[in-house]
Amino acid sequence: DAGITQSPRYKITETGRQVTLMCHQTWSHSYMFWYRQDLGHGLRLIYYSAAADITDKGEVPDGYVVSRSKTENFPLTLESATRSQTSVYFCASSVEGAPLGGVVTDTQYFGPGTRLTVL
Amino acid sequence: DAKTTQPPSMDCAEGRAANLPCNHSTISGNEYVYWYRQIHSQGPQYIIHGLKNNETNEMASLIITEDRKSSTLILPHATLRDTAVYYCIVSRGGSQGNLIFGKGTKLSVKP
Repeated sequence: DAGITQSPRYKITETGRQVTLMCHQTWSHSYMFWYRQDLGHGLRLIYYSAAADITDKGEVPDGYVVSRSKTENFPLTLESATRSQTSVYFCASSVEGAPLGGVVTDTQYFGPGTRLTVL
Repeated sequence: DAKTTQPPSMDCAEGRAANLPCNHSTISGNEYVYWYRQIHSQGPQYIIHGLKNNETNEMASLIITEDRKSSTLILPHATLRDTAVYYCIVSRGGSQGNLIFGKGTKLSVKP
């Protein structure tokens, strides 16, 4: 019962470096999400994916790239890290298809987070 | 813009019921009310959700007013481990149902 995992849990990198944060879920959930959390901003959606090979931008996508070749994995890449990308990153997944009153709901289950520091 | 309004902080005595209010006056007919919480340094945790009727599970109860413009999350017997930030979110679900987290309510349970 691994659920949803993220790696690494902590990462320190330098400005300009490429960094990839990994997210893996064992539930075969169709939807996956990436959020960042900063003091004073709460959680903000970066990208999400409805299924393998389907991704879409969230509120703050600039500077990030995602891919989803397999249902269970949803890596987030910072192509050229900047100090403003220092944050805690959370991955989440949800299953569409759990109808309640005839409407699909989207309860999300979150990973433990990755704390990224860009120097 | 946040679609919900919550008090920034609340205190509750251990063993007592914690009642966390949320206003969502612009909620539309196909939007659910979700509650999540985030204990320090952990990922957000789903608590409960509802559409029109009151809901109860092993963690909490959700009371939604008849006009659906506000709701209350009730933790019936708060413990110190319930100290967390509680987020009230409205969402349509499915592919359009991205959760928008506001600043939430910081609940402090005190012995």
